[in-house]
Amino acid sequence: AQTVTQSQPEMSVQEAETVTLSCTYDTSESDYYLFWYKQPPSRQMILVIRQEAYKQQNATENRFSVNFQKAAKSFSLKISDSQLGDAAMYFCAYRSPNYGGSQGNLIFGKGTKLSVKP
Amino acid sequence: GAGVSQSPSNKVTEKGKDVELRCDPISGHTALYWYRQSLGQGLEFLIYFQGNSAPDKSGLPSDRFSAERTGGSVSTLTIQRTQQEDSAVYLCASSLFPFGTSGNTGELFFGEGSRLTVL
Repeated sequence: AQTVTQSQPEMSVQEAETVTLSCTYDTSESDYYLFWYKQPPSRQMILVIRQEAYKQQNATENRFSVNFQKAAKSFSLKISDSQLGDAAMYFCAYRSPNYGGSQGNLIFGKGTKLSVKP
Repeated sequence: GAGVSQSPSNKVTEKGKDVELRCDPISGHTALYWYRQSLGQGLEFLIYFQGNSAPDKSGLPSDRFSAERTGGSVSTLTIQRTQQEDSAVYLCASSLFPFGTSGNTGELFFGEGSRLTVL
């Protein structure tokens, strides 16, 4: 079964600085999808960025980018020019390409709480 | 609707009572998921519906928990004889299906959750 590990329960960054959140996963599949979700205090989970494993190019969405290392099974999130509104829980998630049974599910890490200092 | 809608937003109940939580997914999304999130914790998978297929109930923590999805759209999560440990935020999400085609990576769209407090 696949697992997702976020080794940093909490992180802190100064406003306007850069921070990197770590995520590793374990799978025997060669093709899959990876996601970073943000959960602010309002509770609603919002997709930040996604990566398809067959794509070698790292995904980028404005100030958010990933460092996808397929061989190392690592999928870290880099937030540049951090803003106060970036303060939230961040969850890394894995989805199998197969969608039968429980493989239709997203597997989430336990999350990293990011604080942004003014 | 434009997004996933959940109700009630907050529910306070007494131990032993039954509760129903409702989820209205995004129109056209045939996959629907329920997750539970305890205070400060990650997401615990509960149940997954896809179209007319049998739901994946592998995450339901006990037989006090059940869910149904009527007409392939709205879903109701029912917790019978609630216990204090059931207190959590219950999140619903939906997605397009199948994924892996036409650029659909199967991302989940979440509702704002229902916070359940069992006294």
